[in-house]
Amino acid sequence: DSGVTQTPKHLITATGQRVTLRCSPRSGDLSVYWYQQSLDQGLQFLIQYYNGEERAKGNILERFSAQQFPDLHSELNLSSLELGDSALYFCASSVGGPYNEQFFGPGTRLTVL
Amino acid sequence: AQTVTQSQPEMSVQEAETVTLSCTYDTSESDYYLFWYKQPPSRQMILVIRQEAYKQQNATENRFSVNFQKAAKSFSLKISDSQLGDAAMYFCAYRKDSNYQLIWGAGTKLIIKP
Repeated sequence: DSGVTQTPKHLITATGQRVTLRCSPRSGDLSVYWYQQSLDQGLQFLIQYYNGEERAKGNILERFSAQQFPDLHSELNLSSLELGDSALYFCASSVGGPYNEQFFGPGTRLTVL
Repeated sequence: AQTVTQSQPEMSVQEAETVTLSCTYDTSESDYYLFWYKQPPSRQMILVIRQEAYKQQNATENRFSVNFQKAAKSFSLKISDSQLGDAAMYFCAYRKDSNYQLIWGAGTKLIIKP
C-alpha cells in the first residue's frame, strides 16, 4: 500500500458524460501528478499540482481539468467523454526534494461506452 | 523533448535464470533520474529501482540491478534468479529534476516460465 488513495476504483459511463476522479496523496506530500494509461501502453503525464498550484501540464485535453484543494487532495474532471478516453488514470504524490519518489495510487479504471 | 524507448515489447525467461530488459532515452540534460517500475496484473505501479545520473555506481536492489551507461543513454535492468512473482509489465521512466513529471517508455512484458 503506497498511501495514495484513489476513488472510485472503477467507473463506467456513456459518451458525452462528465466524471470526477479523486485522489488523496500520502500524508505530508505536497505534489500530485495525474497520468493516463491507455490499454497496454505506457503512462502519459497529464498535469501536476504543487501545494494547490498548477506546476506543469502535459498532454491534457481541453475537455479535462484538475485542481488541488487546500487539504491537498486533488480531483481530475473529464467532460464530454469519448470512447478513446477509456483508460486507467493514475494519481501519484511526492513530498519534494532531491529524491522525490513518486508513489502511485491504485488507479481508477474508466470505461466509456 | 525527452523520450524513453523500450525496444522489447515482450521477454521470457526460465524461472531462476537471469534476464535483462533494455531502455534507452534521449535528453540534453546532464542531471536527471531514471527509474524502473513494475506493473503486475493488479495494475499497481511499483518502484523497482532508481538511478541518479550524477552517480557513476550502478544501483542495486536485491535481485535487481541496472547497467547505466550515461554516454550511451542506456539504462538496462537485470533481474537475477527470476521468480514467478516477477512476471509483470516493466516500465522505464525518466525524470528531469526533482519536481518534474515522469516520462515513460512503452513497457516490456516479462513472462516467467516455470
